[in-house]
Amino acid sequence: QKEVEQNSGPLSVPEGAIASLNCTYSDRGSQSFFWYRQYSGKSPELIMSIYSNGDKEDGRFTAQLNKASQYVSLLIRDSQPSDSATYLCAVNRWDSGGSNYKLTFGKGTLLTVNP
Amino acid sequence: SAVISQKPSRDICQRGTSLTIQCQVDSQVTMMFWYRQQPGQSLTLIATANQGSEATYESGFVIDKFPISRPNLTFSTLTVSNMSPEDSSIYLCSAQVDGYTFGSGTRLTVV
Repeated sequence: QKEVEQNSGPLSVPEGAIASLNCTYSDRGSQSFFWYRQYSGKSPELIMSIYSNGDKEDGRFTAQLNKASQYVSLLIRDSQPSDSATYLCAVNRWDSGGSNYKLTFGKGTLLTVNP
Repeated sequence: SAVISQKPSRDICQRGTSLTIQCQVDSQVTMMFWYRQQPGQSLTLIATANQGSEATYESGFVIDKFPISRPNLTFSTLTVSNMSPEDSSIYLCSAQVDGYTFGSGTRLTVV
């Protein structure tokens, strides 16, 4: 099982709809969870972080974490064409071998919002 | 929020040569990270660089190929040595600040 798994998509939604992006992870010791947005040719940009079970809302974005199910999701409400990008799920966990925290990325989900 | 300046933004290099990528953070950070992103792929961690100690490399990456320096708490370099076309990729530095913040990336093409 891969450490961080995402549906690769592409996911296509109409403008104004809710886009739902999902991520599962394998290491139960994972501490914190991040969603990054990456436009083509650009570096990843952090849009949400979540550390405890439940929902966290920031504007049109809601991150959901369920540690028992090892599941993280990102909802984008009122999707806009400018939201079209690749969304990367990243999981932070302690690496005993290196004695530091490491961020592991999923492969990303390509989202297209159609006008 | 933190700003990470990375340079060069892109380069085209001859095989067998080396390229050093620089990364400057606008605040002091303990840990910096170097990633590789191959075309159409996600980010793969190359190594973790702590100031004052040797970098820790991930499986599949070795110091002779990717030497890293971390002379102070705001700066790091990654060298891609003895390059081959397989090294063509985007290289990204990151720091553990404001979550994890990324530099703008270096697009490397080896010919």
